[in-house]
Amino acid sequence: EDKVVQSPLSLVVHEGDTVTLNCSYEVTNFRSLLWYKQEKKAPTFLFMLTSSGIEKKSGRLSSILDKKELFSILNITATQTGDSAVYLCAVEGGGADGLTFGKGTHLIIQP
Amino acid sequence: NAGVTQTPKFQVLKTGQSMTLQCAQDMNHEYMSWYRQDPGMGLRLIHYSVGAGITDQGEVPNGYNVSRSTTEDFPLRLLSAAPSQTSVYFCATSRGSSYNEQFFGPGTRLTVL
Repeated sequence: EDKVVQSPLSLVVHEGDTVTLNCSYEVTNFRSLLWYKQEKKAPTFLFMLTSSGIEKKSGRLSSILDKKELFSILNITATQTGDSAVYLCAVEGGGADGLTFGKGTHLIIQP
Repeated sequence: NAGVTQTPKFQVLKTGQSMTLQCAQDMNHEYMSWYRQDPGMGLRLIHYSVGAGITDQGEVPNGYNVSRSTTEDFPLRLLSAAPSQTSVYFCATSRGSSYNEQFFGPGTRLTVL
């Protein structure tokens, strides 16, 4: 059974801090790992990673995948209150032809 | 270009009632799927479809039926609602197979009394 574990489950930091969110996985026939941001409604896509060691970057957000150690991290620098959300990690692997999601990290940015 | 739409946004059912959650997309995406999201559980795949006329079960299919007669529509049917089906339901679509970026609909919040 595919498994995705995110840590921490919740995190409270101050505006301007840098945060690192973790995602570890166990899946058969790994295809890709995706990060989503969810703010009280539908998840919105952030990154998709398929190759090890390649950093995906968009503004203050970046992510990297380690296929050997089976994990990914999502970094957010100079955090803003608008970054407050649940961040979801999902992995595409064998079994059901869909995504297996982690439980998410609830990030709260205090002003 | 509406993207992915879901109706209704909210629904309250009594145990044993049946209903259909609608999902429609105008992006000509082959892949469509249904997820449910429960507190502390993340999203779990219910059913998915890789194209018109083709459907398959996901992680938690019991109590739900789907069909895919057109590329655009992928309705989810609850045959006999149970309180355990109280959840938020999301429809998601992607171009090609599921390991492309998935676009999510706004969700349907369902309560079964």
